[in-house]
Amino acid sequence: AQTVTQSQPEMSVQEAETVTLSCTYDTSENNYYLFWYKQPPSRQMILVIRQEAYKQQNATENRFSVNFQKAAKSFSLKISDSQLGDTAMYFCAFMKGETSGSRLTFGEGTQLTVNP
Amino acid sequence: EAGVVQSPRYKIIEKKQPVAFWCNPISGHNTLYWYRQNLGQGPELLIRYENEEAVDDSQLPKDRFSAERLKGVDSTLKIQPAELGDSAVYLCASSSYGPWGEQFFGPGTRLTVL
Repeated sequence: AQTVTQSQPEMSVQEAETVTLSCTYDTSENNYYLFWYKQPPSRQMILVIRQEAYKQQNATENRFSVNFQKAAKSFSLKISDSQLGDTAMYFCAFMKGETSGSRLTFGEGTQLTVNP
Repeated sequence: EAGVVQSPRYKIIEKKQPVAFWCNPISGHNTLYWYRQNLGQGPELLIRYENEEAVDDSQLPKDRFSAERLKGVDSTLKIQPAELGDSAVYLCASSSYGPWGEQFFGPGTRLTVL
């Protein structure tokens, strides 16, 4: 079974600054995907970024980037130039690579607050 | 393109009462998921459908929970009878076929059992 751990229940950052959210996971799988999801108060889960385990290059999406350390089973999210709209709960998630859809295994979440 | 639609958004019931949640996935998505999210935690999968077939229901408490996906489109999740511990947000998601097909989530139904 897979487990995902987020050790930071809450974090805060000043607007325009950079913040890093941590995530570690445990699996015996070789083929898998890792994700960061954002959940604002509206409860709508929104995909922020994904990383394929077979790719060494870290994924980047505009202000969001990840630091994927496969050997250490670490997957952190860096948010640059933080904006007020980034305030939300952030979840790290794991998914086995299969021929079709698979379940997402989520961490406990990190509540990020961006202060003006 | 319309997203995943869920109803109702909120539901308050007394324990031992039945309750049902409805989900309409994104058009063309063959895979549908029901997750339960307890307060302060990440979502956990209850059941996954590939078209009409439930292919992963290992986490579904089958003594009181049931689900169906008729015609491989809409889905209903039912709890009968509800218990206090069932209070949570129930999220529906859908994805298209593929090794990592992105899961698109609905807004969820917040259930409160009194």
